[in-house]
Amino acid sequence: DTEVTQTPKHLVMGMTNKKSLKCEQHMGHRAMYWYKQKAKKPPELMFVYSYEKLSINESVPSRFSPECPNSSLLNLHLHALQPEDSALYLCASSQDRGSNQPQHFGDGTRLSIL
Amino acid sequence: AQSVAQPEDQVNVAEGNPLTVKCTYSVSGNPYLFWYVQYPNRGLQFLLKYITGDNLVKGSYGFEAEFNKSQTSFHLKKPSALVSDSALYFCAVREGSSGSARQLTFGSGTQLTVLP
Repeated sequence: DTEVTQTPKHLVMGMTNKKSLKCEQHMGHRAMYWYKQKAKKPPELMFVYSYEKLSINESVPSRFSPECPNSSLLNLHLHALQPEDSALYLCASSQDRGSNQPQHFGDGTRLSIL
Repeated sequence: AQSVAQPEDQVNVAEGNPLTVKCTYSVSGNPYLFWYVQYPNRGLQFLLKYITGDNLVKGSYGFEAEFNKSQTSFHLKKPSALVSDSALYFCAVREGSSGSARQLTFGSGTQLTVLP
């Protein structure tokens, strides 16, 4: 069982749809992350939230919009995605950004863009 | 800058034999080193870390890793491989003295296959 919960597990959407990915953790972690992962490749960092504020945006296209409603929740809003955006989207959390503690990952949302 | 290399895309080992998955790193200061494993259709699962102290680090599921500062390596090892160890393994590094300035850098991953 993972301590970071992501929903939905699978999502198929058209290029004109709007959808959201959700992530939740109850470990009291103050840093939360969104990663994109293609098959058999390492995760690519997209966004970092620290104490509910966006601290890193790795030049991600604006069709991806993150939101951190509170310290336990992280959303990723999707709009007008492209076929190349099909991937596994992973959420992670850690004690804080500068911690030597590991990041804890959810099982991801597998996104397919038609 | 920080970087990490996993020189082998694929490692095959027979069940019961020892396994090694290689990782080398480059950071300006002291490294924080991590190993993660990813099973099919799952997220990354933390195995072990080196921050400071003993060079031999023990982790989950019988895995261990040896930190070698002179060779800038952090190879993952297990004395006796199981078929269930077959998965994708990632090494990751972060510069320890950078505070919150730097995030994790992942290696390219090594697919481990344990043959029955």
